[in-house]
Amino acid sequence: NAGVTQTPKFQVLKTGQSMTLQCAQDMNHNSMYWYRQDPGMGLRLIYYSASEGTTDKGEVPNGYNVSRLNKREFSLRLESAAPSQTSVYFCASSARQEFLYGYTFGSGTRLTVV
Amino acid sequence: QKEVEQNSGPLSVPEGAIASLNCTYSDRGSQSFFWYRQYSGKSPELIMSIYSNGDKEDGRFTAQLNKASQYVSLLIRDSQPSDSATYLCAVNIFWNTGANSKLTFGKGITLSVRP
Repeated sequence: NAGVTQTPKFQVLKTGQSMTLQCAQDMNHNSMYWYRQDPGMGLRLIYYSASEGTTDKGEVPNGYNVSRLNKREFSLRLESAAPSQTSVYFCASSARQEFLYGYTFGSGTRLTVV
Repeated sequence: QKEVEQNSGPLSVPEGAIASLNCTYSDRGSQSFFWYRQYSGKSPELIMSIYSNGDKEDGRFTAQLNKASQYVSLLIRDSQPSDSATYLCAVNIFWNTGANSKLTFGKGITLSVRP
């Protein structure tokens, strides 16, 4: 049972480059989320998808776009990477009643923008 | 701004002691509360959930909830060096119209258990 799978695990980008972070879950969860985690800032929500076909902005969406490709997959795209986007990115998913079961997190992507 | 606050750390306790981690939240409509453990370089892992006032015990862990005072705490009894990690409090908070809720996380507190 893989749970939530993120790729890649590590990435170094040059300023201005673009890339897509991939996330897939095999738990038949409806909702999926992208967070970034920075020292002293905690987990901050970038975008979320409450169900297949819908996406909404979170707390820090600027500089990012997302695609909910199907029920399993939710990708995060950086169109023009900036050093301020250096962070650890976590994808998470939850069943419809997330208030009962919480979120399951992927293993994270450590991104460095130079 | 709906917030989840965790008391500043880091927290250091000797092996075998009780570690007490506290969290307060601002939204009185919150219904569910979670504690996540995050080892350095790893992803958050759910360790406890609590929904009603009182205590909930699971092994060495006890979650305590007081909705009137809007706080939730995690007690770790007989602390072990393997408990050394960052602990994140998460609260379901209703956003916007209130039709949907999402988890809001505190910034975490780092616990160090000294042998």
